[in-house]
Amino acid sequence: ETGVTQTPRHLVMGMTNKKSLKCEQHLGHNAMYWYKQSAKKPLELMFVYSLEERVENNSVPSRFSPECPNSSHLFLHLHTLQPEDSALYLCASSLWDRPYEQYFGPGTRLTVT
Amino acid sequence: DAKTTQPPSMDCAEGRAANLPCNHSTISGNEYVYWYRQIHSQGPQYIIHGLKNNETNEMASLIITEDRKSSTLILPHATLRDTAVYYCIVSGGTSYGKLTFGQGTILTVHP
Repeated sequence: ETGVTQTPRHLVMGMTNKKSLKCEQHLGHNAMYWYKQSAKKPLELMFVYSLEERVENNSVPSRFSPECPNSSHLFLHLHTLQPEDSALYLCASSLWDRPYEQYFGPGTRLTVT
Repeated sequence: DAKTTQPPSMDCAEGRAANLPCNHSTISGNEYVYWYRQIHSQGPQYIIHGLKNNETNEMASLIITEDRKSSTLILPHATLRDTAVYYCIVSGGTSYGKLTFGQGTILTVHP
């Protein structure tokens, strides 16, 4: 595997389900990011981890819970989501000292029913 | 972070240079200009960035005006695979790692 991978690529879940999105980077980076891209809206930064510590949390509802167990892996735990949470969720990584030069994964297309 | 303004769409013929403009008149001295693109249904792709000098890499060239209030991304020989939304982003301010994606420019490369 190369670059940034995300699994699953597609996910359909009910509002009462609990699921997790996984991101893995193979670039030797040490900062990781979660973004949300809703239809017809710009990408929104959700969470930032640098050197495995959360450094940004941009007013994201508590039904989204990130986890960064090491510098190569990032998770987004989902529970009791709403239909408006349906979106493309993108993971990115960078070197901690080059935080604006980010490399993105292909995204997980999430549909909440 | 400074706000950017880009044209909503542009067309380019295959093999010709694509010149994508961006205005960032409120850019501050320590902010960089970054360019990303997003091909349909894929994650964004980093292209290039610069502070005040012109920059070139294997993908593109970035020309920043002397007053730093605007810049142009140049794809020297556009191909059909360059059809994408191109985002000009000014970052390096107060929020670590925060890339503020606007609406971007939809570049369509025609055969």
